Amino acid sequence: NAGVMQNPRHLVRRRGQEARLRCSPMKGHSHVYWYRQLPEEGLKFMVYLQKENIIDESGMPKERFSAEFPKEGPSILRIQQVVRGDSAAYFCASSDGGSGYTFGSGTRLTVV
Amino acid sequence: SQQGEEDPQALSIQEGENATMNCSYKTSINNLQWYRQNSGRGLVHLILIRSNEREKHSGRLRVTLDTSKKSSSLLITASRAADTASYFCATDRGSQGNLIFGKGTKLSVKP
Repeated sequence: NAGVMQNPRHLVRRRGQEARLRCSPMKGHSHVYWYRQLPEEGLKFMVYLQKENIIDESGMPKERFSAEFPKEGPSILRIQQVVRGDSAAYFCASSDGGSGYTFGSGTRLTVV
Repeated sequence: SQQGEEDPQALSIQEGENATMNCSYKTSINNLQWYRQNSGRGLVHLILIRSNEREKHSGRLRVTLDTSKKSSSLLITASRAADTASYFCATDRGSQGNLIFGKGTKLSVKP
């Protein structure tokens, strides 16, 4: 019974490239949340998705960031034209809509 | 803005001592959760306390919740070096669909 799977674990991108981060929720979970963590900081909510729907994207930057959770396959967080300030750890969590959230191990994005 | 604020920001103790971390929040909540994060790793869920509960125990962990003061505390008893990590509180407002995290307390337990 695998937990939340995120890949890649580490991602290095040059400024201006695109970053695609993947998250497969726990089996039976249809709610996915993306968070960003800057060094020495707590996690900041970005977006909440259910299958094929964005429920809350109030934490997403207005430009360059997008997220999807298709009917089939993992949830994708996409960052276009990355800048150095996008360097952070990106965590995905899933739930069944109840109080329990399970977090993945994160993707550490470094923009050089 | 951050819902939860933990204090202290950093705490250093000797093995065997107790560690107490506090968390304050601003709005009404459905529940409050504590997580641990080892350096460079993901988050591990420790304990959840609902808004109608005042105290909860899990092994060496004791969590209290005071909704009138909008605060919670996490007590780790008989600490071990392996407890060295950052500890975060996170509030769940229920229908809002996401957790709001504080900045965390960095705990260092010296052997």
